[in-house]
Amino acid sequence: DIVMTQSPDSLAVSLGERATINCKSSQSVLSSADNRNYLAWIQQRPGQPPKLLIHWASIRESGVPDRFTGSGSGTDFTLTISSLQAEDVAVYYCQQHYGAPLTFGGGTRVEIK
Amino acid sequence: EVQLVESGGGLVQPGRSLRLSCAASGFTFGDYAMHWVRQSPEKGLEWVSLINWNSSRILYADSVKGRFTISRDNAKNSLYLQMNSLRPEDTAIYFCAKGSGSGSYILNFWGQGTLVTVSS
Repeated sequence: DIVMTQSPDSLAVSLGERATINCKSSQSVLSSADNRNYLAWIQQRPGQPPKLLIHWASIRESGVPDRFTGSGSGTDFTLTISSLQAEDVAVYYCQQHYGAPLTFGGGTRVEIK
Repeated sequence: EVQLVESGGGLVQPGRSLRLSCAASGFTFGDYAMHWVRQSPEKGLEWVSLINWNSSRILYADSVKGRFTISRDNAKNSLYLQMNSLRPEDTAIYFCAKGSGSGSYILNFWGQGTLVTVSS
């Protein structure tokens, strides 16, 4: 199984400041067949179900604000929130969609400082 | 508007069975893969099972293989999870999630979840 490791476990950021979340996979999720990184970022606000933000490492879902940016390749990925808003308070998970079993990181809790 | 509504959760004794349902609307259900994912404080998010659009490809996590059965009824826009021989470690919120394609591993919409508690 591909193990997904996130860091940090939590971070507190001032409104309008940048938040950066890291995710590392135990093996590459870059496909040689299509040169795509099979990595998603998922947001879970308090009391809400998870919501897909980004897939293919950097493709934002429709309606996701452009302050959310996914980057990285191979085994190392980053989710950046460029200017934190109050509604961004949530736990963020990375997930590999390279193969079964699908696996998730342990989550990063983002709070307002 | 895409909607996924899970039902069937509850309190059940170890060793007993439970059947979860997920009612889908707002999209052509029969065109998409569907998944079950569970969440607990101990294990976080844990993928459980996948069924592709026409039920020809079914996959399970090792932790539930042989005990859980996923199925779907495209005529009824419904997804199911039959859970047998339940264990305390199966206690979790169970989400159904829509794949982004017919066999996709991208989970692009999640239901609200249903809580399953396995305890004597």
